[in-house]
Amino acid sequence: NAGVTQTPKFQVLKTGQSMTLQCAQDMNHNSMYWYRQDPGMGLRLIYYSASEGTTDKGEVPNGYNVSRLNKREFSLRLESAAPSQTSVYFCASSPGQGGADTQYFGPGTRLTVL
Amino acid sequence: GNSVTQMEGPVTLSEEAFLTINCTYTATGYPSLFWYVQYPGEGLQLLLKATKADDKGSNKGFEATYRKETTSFHLEKGSVQVSDSAVYFCALSDRGNQGGKLIFGQGTELSVKP
Repeated sequence: NAGVTQTPKFQVLKTGQSMTLQCAQDMNHNSMYWYRQDPGMGLRLIYYSASEGTTDKGEVPNGYNVSRLNKREFSLRLESAAPSQTSVYFCASSPGQGGADTQYFGPGTRLTVL
Repeated sequence: GNSVTQMEGPVTLSEEAFLTINCTYTATGYPSLFWYVQYPGEGLQLLLKATKADDKGSNKGFEATYRKETTSFHLEKGSVQVSDSAVYFCALSDRGNQGGKLIFGQGTELSVKP
């Protein structure tokens, strides 16, 4: 039981390049999330998927797109990377039973945009 | 809107010292409250949570009590260890929240010296 896995662990991009961050969970959770973590700002929600087949914007969605490929997988795409997107990205999942759910986090992807 | 405010870090303590990390929140309704911990190089993991007023969450010697009258959820531990060195995040989730979205505080870094 691996929990939440993310690939890659590290990535360096040049401004304007595109890439997709992959996330998968093996806990049969309904809800999945993408956050970014920046110094002094905690974690901010980019996009989330309350259940398979649905996605919604979070606090900071601009410059990102997501795909809930199936119940297990939730990918985050940067179409044209900008230096402001340099951050650590975390994927998380939860059972999807409401506001008291525990979220389970992946190990993160450290992205640098030059 | 909903928000979470934590005490500024970093906090440096000696082993066996008493720890308090303050957390206050602003929310409509009756949110669930969480403390997550992030050890160096890892993703976040749930430390404890409370879902209604006067509930006390506890785990690994850490405690926090949901105080509705002061809108607070301060984290405490009676005797910290070097292994408690990490970043601690307070978070809230609206009770009726579709998809269980979390709003995080900025995080408080704790360093415990032997």
